[in-house]
Amino acid sequence: DGGITQSPKYLFRKEGQNVTLSCEQNLNHDAMYWYRQDPGQGLRLIYYSQIVNDFQKGDIAEGYSVSREKKESFPLTVTSAQKNPTAFYLCASSIGSRERSNEQFFGPGTRLTVL
Amino acid sequence: GEDVEQSLFLSVREGDSSVINCTYTDSSSTYLYWYKQEPGAGLQLLTYIFSNMDMKQDQRLTVLLNKKDKHLSLRIADTQTGDSAIYFCAERRAAGNKLTFGGGTRVLVKP
Repeated sequence: DGGITQSPKYLFRKEGQNVTLSCEQNLNHDAMYWYRQDPGQGLRLIYYSQIVNDFQKGDIAEGYSVSREKKESFPLTVTSAQKNPTAFYLCASSIGSRERSNEQFFGPGTRLTVL
Repeated sequence: GEDVEQSLFLSVREGDSSVINCTYTDSSSTYLYWYKQEPGAGLQLLTYIFSNMDMKQDQRLTVLLNKKDKHLSLRIADTQTGDSAIYFCAERRAAGNKLTFGGGTRVLVKP
């Protein structure tokens, strides 16, 4: 089955610790995205990557870091510099072409709670 | 203010039609999307419309786009209890592949 997987589903972290969220896709998509969702709010873009070994900051990149060493994988690290990291994190991917509808497909999400 | 706005809540009776509205501000939007999110889950793409279209129909879903007023709507015919969820509209601007999401409309379907 083709799709996007995120792990773990639930993650607990102590204050001051870094934590890495996994996102893998087997859709052969070039572009991948990380969003943050807070209760009762829409999605805000953290980082995105249009192609392997390249990524750009989104609207709320401070306190986060990413890497894109493989096409299939786009891990997100929430660092201790992120002031309020408790949220639901969603990963998405898309074909990446500007000429097409380029709809984004989402993973099931990781809920991060800082204790 | 928000670039993409939606009303917060919609209550509808089972079997009736639901209409979820969305307004956006960027006239360069190329594609507009509707997503559905069930509790604790990711977003599921429902449908999308290209900016040079006025309407798109897909089974029970009808999307209407008024580009002059920058208004997008999603109509769900014969609403079922399984349609209870949060619905997000999103716009894609001409500059790239990023999406800007609205805050979501929570739809509650009453039996």
